[in-house]
Amino acid sequence: KAGVTQTPRYLIKTRGQQVTLSCSPISGHRSVSWYQQTPGQGLQFLFEYFSETQRNKGNFPGRFSGRQFSNSRSEMNVSTLELGDSALYLCASSLERDGYTFGSGTRLTVV
Amino acid sequence: EDQVTQSPEALRLQEGESSSLNCSYTVSGLRGLFWYRQDPGKGPEFLFTLYSAGEEKEKERLKATLTKKESFLHITAPKPEDSATYLCAVHHMDSNYQLIWGAGTKLIIKP
Repeated sequence: KAGVTQTPRYLIKTRGQQVTLSCSPISGHRSVSWYQQTPGQGLQFLFEYFSETQRNKGNFPGRFSGRQFSNSRSEMNVSTLELGDSALYLCASSLERDGYTFGSGTRLTVV
Repeated sequence: EDQVTQSPEALRLQEGESSSLNCSYTVSGLRGLFWYRQDPGKGPEFLFTLYSAGEEKEKERLKATLTKKESFLHITAPKPEDSATYLCAVHHMDSNYQLIWGAGTKLIIKP
């Protein structure tokens, strides 16, 4: 079966711009979580969506937001990009919160 | 403070040289401990979930064990293709199912 699909794979943006990343979970998975991964900070939890509702949120500023659609696909948005937002953004889907399948990630570079 | 600590940070082994990676945690009410493998530029790949002390799981050359305060990932007769960063993460009763991640152990297997 198809895995978790994240698009785009790579993105270069300028400071101050905004960006939208997309995640299509495994069919049947209703939970989608987003993470930011940087060499210095490791994996940092952004938020989790379940059935179109945000049910958990990490400690990130309000510039980071997300949403989930009725087909479980999710998007995350980062507004007013900063250099420090350069990272690998990972999406993970799960059925029952006891096993998370990750996508390959979107590599965002802010210049 | 809830913490997950992995050691060592990096480990270099010769092909065939068995060893163990450690994941220690200071959380109350463990709900589950997860091991993942991550290759450069890719998303983490799920390996195991452990739920209670004394539990063990195996997959090919990998065996994961769990005690009340730590987990070990034993690698038997590793091959170069086992080179990756190994991550552990925990769910606990007060985390609202938010995973707490360790920083990872970078494993290099030399032929």
